Amino acid sequence: GEEVAQTPKHLVRGEGQKAKLYCAPIKGHSYVFWYQQVLKNEFKFLISFQNENVFDETGMPKERFSAKCLPNSPCSLEIQATKLEDSAVYFCASSDGGGHGGLSYNEQFFGPGTRLTVL
Amino acid sequence: AQKITQTQPGMFVQEKEAVTLDCTYDTSDPSYGLFWYKQPSSGEMIFLIYQGSYDQQNATEGRYSLNFQKARKSANLVISASQLGDSAMYFCAMASMNRDDKIIFGKGTRLHILP
Repeated sequence: GEEVAQTPKHLVRGEGQKAKLYCAPIKGHSYVFWYQQVLKNEFKFLISFQNENVFDETGMPKERFSAKCLPNSPCSLEIQATKLEDSAVYFCASSDGGGHGGLSYNEQFFGPGTRLTVL
Repeated sequence: AQKITQTQPGMFVQEKEAVTLDCTYDTSDPSYGLFWYKQPSSGEMIFLIYQGSYDQQNATEGRYSLNFQKARKSANLVISASQLGDSAMYFCAMASMNRDDKIIFGKGTRLHILP
């Protein structure tokens, strides 16, 4: 598609429950990024993929968060045993290149986000 | 480490006036890009403008221009002739061109345009 799609739009979970978010990047884009936005201002990078391979996972709280980008499937971000502090909007972005070795920039196109509320 | 600083948590500006949103950054990478995003109350992230660290000219996109001062490590956004629809949260951001291009965001400035 021509836009990054994210589902669901809203997700409500009780503390300790699992949450799974999905992202379909723009067709032809090989890079996918996940960001967490807490309280409408602070963005935190979580993880990025180059196709189905993890590219950078330095932002992931690994004990409860996991993510995948499998061929011919939407990418997913899963949170096991959610905590109150996981309440945030999770944005997915995709780009058509990583910009390595050159001075060009490959714009990241953001999806509409998934609002996760943990009660 | 890379860092973006936006010192104005909120601003009020009269409609049709120009407004400057401040942004300073810190990086040791020689090649990087600077961006501004707009986030209206509906929540979506709207890309506004991009400046590469090696670009000689300041970037402009319609009513948006980026005042890039490399020596001062500043990348202020200037919006000319502000409109009511410009009321939103504005994020300054940066990505290294030598790494994986993850974006580092500032904490944002909430802009209110007054009629």
